[in-house]
Amino acid sequence: NAGVTQTPKFQVLKTGQSMTLQCAQDMNHNSMYWYRQDPGMGLRLIYYSASEGTTDKGEVPNGYNVSRLNKREFSLRLESAAPSQTSVYFCASSERARGNTGELFFGEGSRLTVL
Amino acid sequence: DQQVKQNSPSLSVQEGRISILNCDYTNSMFDYFLWYKKYPAEGPTFLISISSIKDKNEDGRFTVFLNKSAKHLSLHIVPSQPGDSAVYFCAASEGSNYQLIWGAGTKLIIKP
Repeated sequence: NAGVTQTPKFQVLKTGQSMTLQCAQDMNHNSMYWYRQDPGMGLRLIYYSASEGTTDKGEVPNGYNVSRLNKREFSLRLESAAPSQTSVYFCASSERARGNTGELFFGEGSRLTVL
Repeated sequence: DQQVKQNSPSLSVQEGRISILNCDYTNSMFDYFLWYKKYPAEGPTFLISISSIKDKNEDGRFTVFLNKSAKHLSLHIVPSQPGDSAVYFCAASEGSNYQLIWGAGTKLIIKP
C-alpha cells in the first residue's frame, strides 16, 4: 500500500530555476495538501485542494502554484526558486477538508535546497 | 505569533516510565486537537485526537488531556517504549476551517 507518494525526495536548485513537486495518493481521498516544514517551526500550509477541481491558498502561498490534476494527483510548482524556499515539503491527503479534517496521511517529504 | 506552542524542544524519559508532552494554544475558538508522531526521513503519522467537548481521550498507551480553561493539552504515553522516540507535533483547528495550526514539535528520547 503506497499511501501518499512524493517525488523527488531531494532536489537542489539555483536561484531563479523552476521545478515541480509531484504528489499522488491511492486512498481515494477527496482533499490534498502541501505543507512546508522549517527548523524550529511547525508545518505551514501552502495550498490545499478540498476536492478535484478546486484549490485554495493556505498560510504561505507566495512563490508557489498548484495543480489538482485529478483526484489522485496534486502538484506544487516553484516558478522562480528563492533561497527562502529551502525547506522540507510534505504532501498530505484526507477524506474531507471542511470541519474536522480528520486524519491527514503524509508522504515522506521532499527536501529542497535553493542555492 | 504562534497560536500553538510546544515549549519543550526535547524531552528525555526512561523506558517504562511515563512521558508527558505539553502543548499550549492561544485561540479559544480551536475546537479540535490532534497529535502526530514523526520519525526521521518520514512524514508525520496521526496518533490521537480530541474534540473540545471532551477533556480526555485514550487509545492504548496514549492519552490526551484537554484543559480548555488553561488552553492546554497534554499527551501521556504509559509505559514509554524505545519505539516512541520521535518528534511529536500537536495541531489544532477551528470549526469548519480547513487549516490545521501546528506546534513546532517536541523531540522525545526514550532511554533504555
